[in-house]
Amino acid sequence: EPEVTQTPSHQVTQMGQEVILRCVPISNHLYFYWYRQILGQKVEFLVSFYNNEISEKSEIFDDQFSVERPDGSNFTLKIRSTKLEDSAMYFCASSESYRDDEQYFGPGTRLTVT
Amino acid sequence: DAKTTQPNSMESNEEEPVHLPCNHSTISGTDYIHWYRQLPSQGPEYVIHGLTSNVNNRMASLAIAEDRKSSTLILHRATLRDAAVYYCILRDVWSNYQLIWGAGTKLIIKP
Repeated sequence: EPEVTQTPSHQVTQMGQEVILRCVPISNHLYFYWYRQILGQKVEFLVSFYNNEISEKSEIFDDQFSVERPDGSNFTLKIRSTKLEDSAMYFCASSESYRDDEQYFGPGTRLTVT
Repeated sequence: DAKTTQPNSMESNEEEPVHLPCNHSTISGTDYIHWYRQLPSQGPEYVIHGLTSNVNNRMASLAIAEDRKSSTLILHRATLRDAAVYYCILRDVWSNYQLIWGAGTKLIIKP
């Protein structure tokens, strides 16, 4: 069964450093998403991406964040200058369409900012 | 903010049916009702979704009230592997790409 994969599984970085989280969505999916979950809290939407542009973003997704689909398979989330409060699990998801379709989630990347 | 209300937690015995309720009194005509779950230390997983009619799939059933102001996720025979946080999410198909998550219901399965 096809699945969404994410790398790395755990990333430790120092405050102020740039990080890139990587995702490989399911191959025939056209819509891509990033969510995050701070430990013990609820899942929060960050951004959705379609046709090489952002289709929707939340208030969390400020200028420190960017997304990119550098080739036909990868989907990346970059945090330009990490803060302590960026420590969280980051989940990538993809879907075939955006309407009533289900989103398939990856296993997540745990980001720890020290 | 999430537009759904779910109990914080529920307990059930293994191999018995589980009924997880969700209230969504302000649901609009274009909101689909989605259910996802998150097993411990894993990413969320799609369970089921529906609009008006009851839905069945290999994982669960979704019973939707006639006025659509509430719904119930039914696990027909819970196993220990079904212990997870279950999220009921409304998604407007015409305006939202995102899923807006609440706190969900933590389902505890007793052996």
